[in-house]
Amino acid sequence: EVVMTQSPVTLSVSPGERATLSCRASQSVSSKLAWYQQKPGQAPRLLIFGASTRATGVPARFSGSGSGTEFTLTISSLQSEDFAVYYCQQYNIWPPMTFGQGTTVEIK
Amino acid sequence: QVQLLQSGAEVKKPGASVKVSCKSSNYPSTGYYVHWVRQAPGQGLEWVGWINPNTGGTNYALKFLPRLTLTRDTSITTAYMELSNLTSDDTAMYFCAKTTRRGDWFDPWGQGTLVIVSS
Repeated sequence: EVVMTQSPVTLSVSPGERATLSCRASQSVSSKLAWYQQKPGQAPRLLIFGASTRATGVPARFSGSGSGTEFTLTISSLQSEDFAVYYCQQYNIWPPMTFGQGTTVEIK
Repeated sequence: QVQLLQSGAEVKKPGASVKVSCKSSNYPSTGYYVHWVRQAPGQGLEWVGWINPNTGGTNYALKFLPRLTLTRDTSITTAYMELSNLTSDDTAMYFCAKTTRRGDWFDPWGQGTLVIVSS
């Protein structure tokens, strides 16, 4: 099973600042990595697939990068609606598909 | 706009079974897969398994064998997840989600079905 490790667990950021979230895979997953945003009481929402391709309707302030075992999600200028939990997911080596434990982006 | 609509919350006793439905709308009849993902209270996301609505083919996460059964009714474009011999550890929100290929990113997701297991 590919273990996905996200860091930090919690990220405190002021509105308008840049946020950088990391995701590491225990073995190479190529570029088969997705990022999701989840707000309280809601289902996850796809942000990024293929490590760097934004999903339809996702604002350009969200960007993804990386390949192999190291990945980054960057939010260039945090808006109030961006405070949420973010998960990475690998879909290269499965079953099972695996997720990171999540990073909570909170208001500083 | 594609949508997945799940059935309502369930409360079950330990040892019972639960069956959750996931209805697809505005999809083509073939060419996609329905996955199930669960989330225990305050916890992360855990993949449960998938079903091909066209062929009925399935793949389950090992930890849920032999308690898990995924089925579908093509006439009403609905997928079902049945989990038996429930314990308190199965208390979670259960989501269905679509992929275009068997192994892929999940988009969209259903709204989730809360399953509570309590005596």
